[in-house]
Amino acid sequence: DAEITQSPRHKITETGRQVTLACHQTWNHNNMFWYRQDLGHGLRLIHYSYGVQDTNKGEVSDGYSVSRSNTEDLPLTLESAASSQTSVYFCASSREGLTDTQYFGPGTRLTVL
Amino acid sequence: AQSVAQPEDQVNVAEGNPLTVKCTYSVSGNPYLFWYVQYPNRGLQFLLKYITGDNLVKGSYGFEAEFNKSQTSFHLKKPSALVSDSALYFCAVRDMDSSYKLIFGSGTRLLVRP
Repeated sequence: DAEITQSPRHKITETGRQVTLACHQTWNHNNMFWYRQDLGHGLRLIHYSYGVQDTNKGEVSDGYSVSRSNTEDLPLTLESAASSQTSVYFCASSREGLTDTQYFGPGTRLTVL
Repeated sequence: AQSVAQPEDQVNVAEGNPLTVKCTYSVSGNPYLFWYVQYPNRGLQFLLKYITGDNLVKGSYGFEAEFNKSQTSFHLKKPSALVSDSALYFCAVRDMDSSYKLIFGSGTRLLVRP
């Protein structure tokens, strides 16, 4: 079955380290998204991509980067992890239609000490 | 600016009773609206969406939602709640200014007591 996976599921790191969270989908969706979920804030969009080589900033993109070298993967990199980036991160994907549904991965819980 | 509001942080209901989780929106043009559910330590699962047509939309697990254009609302409903419905529910609207992005509400925690 087609799916969307994230790895690792849990990660503990130290302030200042570079961290990369993986997202992989097998639906062949062009659209991919990264969100973070924090208490009191719901889901906030970090970065998104509408296809290979396309990346765009979301509302909370500072300190994060993404790259899209193929359709299946959109890794999220924290260049220099900060304690404020402790959060749960979700990846999602969708087809290109305006009415198409976004489907979410299981999430990665990141703790920055 | 486009936005979604979920006015209740938590909704409590007894098992077997009907439940409603509220959502209001503010968008320019016709809205595309979605409901998602999140169980503990899981990702968001799609429940249902409104695009056009019938104002009553039926979705997964017996949930339905009623679109009301005059009240700019899209409330999630279920005729008879189950304890297993206890979860976090998110309403979302398509960001018409930015194509495929979704704007999410802050979430409502539903607690169904036995």
